[in-house]
Order: sequence, then C-alpha cells, then structure tokens
Amino acid sequence: EPEVTQTPSHQVTQMGQEVILRCVPISNHLYFYWYRQILGQKVEFLVSFYNNEISEKSEIFDDQFSVERPDGSNFTLKIRSTKLEDSAMYFCASSETGQVSYEQYFGPGTRLTVT
Amino acid sequence: AQTVTQSQPEMSVQEAETVTLSCTYDTSESNYYLFWYKQPPSRQMILVIRQEAYKQQNATENRFSVNFQKAAKSFSLKISDSQLGDTAMYFCAFMKHAGNNRKLIWGLGTSLGVNP
Repeated sequence: EPEVTQTPSHQVTQMGQEVILRCVPISNHLYFYWYRQILGQKVEFLVSFYNNEISEKSEIFDDQFSVERPDGSNFTLKIRSTKLEDSAMYFCASSETGQVSYEQYFGPGTRLTVT
Repeated sequence: AQTVTQSQPEMSVQEAETVTLSCTYDTSESNYYLFWYKQPPSRQMILVIRQEAYKQQNATENRFSVNFQKAAKSFSLKISDSQLGDTAMYFCAFMKHAGNNRKLIWGLGTSLGVNP
C-alpha cells in the first residue's frame, strides 16, 4: 500500500540553524500539507500546497518557514532560523484529487528538537 | 472560524467493552467533512473513520462507528469490543469543503487507555 514517508525521523539542531524536513507524498496525490504538534498539545495546520503554490497558510507559517516541491516527488519544509519554540513533531500529509479527494494520508512525522 | 472541542482529556475502558469519545464542533459551513484520527505511542497519525456532512447515515468501519448529529454539531466515536491495541490518543478533526483550502482543524484529543 502506498504511503507517505518523511526523513529524518528525528532532527536535533541548535537555535538559529536552518533545517529542512523532507517528505515524499503518495505518487498520484496533488495536495500536500504540513502540520505540527508540540508535545502534549493539539495538532496545528501550517501550510497547504497545490499546483506548485501555497494554497493556504496559518499565522504560524511566517517568513521563517518555506515549502518547496523541488523535483516532482519530494515536498520540503524549511525553517530558516530555528527557535526553541519550533521544537515539535512535524507531519506531512497528502491527498489526491477527484471526487473522493479529501482524505489526508499522514507520514510518520519528524521530531524536531531545537537546543 | 471553525473550532473542534473534545471535552474528555482521558478515558479508560476494559478490554472487550464499549467506549464512546465525544466531539463537538462549531461552523457556519453546510458542506464539510469530519474525521477521527488515532495516534498510538509511535505517534503515527492513522485515519480511523470519516463522515461527510451531507450524508445522514452514520459511518461505520468494523468496530468503529460514529454518531453524527448535524443539528447539534456533534460527532462522537464509538469503539466496540475494545482491544489493547486501541490504546492511543484520538483526535477529532474538521475540514470544510472549499476549493483547494482543505486544512484539518483539530481537537485537543482524548487519551484512551484499554485495560486488560
């Protein structure tokens, strides 16, 4: 069964450093998403991406964040200068297009620790 | 703005028993989708069940079923014949059906423990 994959599973970085979180969505999916979950808190929407552009972003998704689909298979989230409060689990999700296109399939997540 | 409320932070149930997790939401939309996701200790987010708002019939997936009350904006999850593997965090989520904006709005979650 096709699945969404994410790398790395765990990333430790120092405050102020840039990180890139990588995701490979399901191959025939056209909608892509990033969510984050701070430990013990609710899951928060960050950004959605369709047709090679951002379709919606949350207030969290400020200038420090960017997304890219560099090669038609990967979908990346970059945080330019990490802060302690960026420590969280980051989930990538994808969904297909068509009549039954609303179901989002999630990757296993990347745990980001900023020290 | 849409909101999702899960009023039970923690619940427990005995193996083989039935448990119901509650979820209410607030929206002015008429067309939307509702979901229950399961997050076990591995932290993988797994879809349990989904419901389209335009469908009156409650969704069912094996031991999992929902009680969808559109007028009351309530979407509870019933787990029958609970198994140890059902131990997880359960999240209720809302999505409005609006073009390319398909973000999920999440509740705070209910931590379910199944006891042997």
